[in-house]
Amino acid sequence: DTAVSQTPKYLVTQMGNDKSIKCEQNLGHDTMYWYKQDSKKFLKIMFSYNNKELIINETVPNRFSPKSPDKAHLNLHINSLELGDSAVYFCASSPTTGYLYNEQFFGPGTRLTVL
Amino acid sequence: DQQVKQNSPSLSVQEGRISILNCDYTNSMFDYFLWYKKYPAEGPTFLISISSIKDKNEDGRFTVFLNKSAKHLSLHIVPSQPGDSAVYFCAASAFAGGTSYGKLTFGQGTILTVHP
Repeated sequence: DTAVSQTPKYLVTQMGNDKSIKCEQNLGHDTMYWYKQDSKKFLKIMFSYNNKELIINETVPNRFSPKSPDKAHLNLHINSLELGDSAVYFCASSPTTGYLYNEQFFGPGTRLTVL
Repeated sequence: DQQVKQNSPSLSVQEGRISILNCDYTNSMFDYFLWYKKYPAEGPTFLISISSIKDKNEDGRFTVFLNKSAKHLSLHIVPSQPGDSAVYFCAASAFAGGTSYGKLTFGQGTILTVHP
């Protein structure tokens, strides 16, 4: 009965490969997010989807492409992986009512290591 | 340019004493602030929040104080317990009636260790 789940938890891959991270939430939320936590530990938003529509798209290389097949799922596909993509990626979700937008529920994270 | 900063990477406190975690921000458009707590190998979990129309919000052992003129907020935990040992992230939003769509700007976190 996990609220926000991500797969895989760990991902080790070679530079140049393409990989995907999947995220699912069972909270009935309308909005989902992808965050990247880099080596300096900052959590930075990458994308946000509301009811399958992209609403936040930060300055992220276009090698990163989010896909939302339905409002309970938001997947992240990364093409041509680079060393600098190594990080922990967190998925999150939230309701869209007033301040609840900000009270986001996070998944456990996916640690991506690019060799 | 980091708009939310937590200048103390770590804090060590004795059980039963007060823990004070600090956060500074630079963007005057921020009007909603949150604290998240993170245990190892888990995602952050929402702890407490405060709107810019208030200067204090309390929830059990946790109190957040906001000083808008100084662009500073702090989280007080009283009394501190060993289970509070975690990384604490400060976050801010330019809520503006919901048009921020949940875009949060996070600080880099402070590791709190509470010793028994």
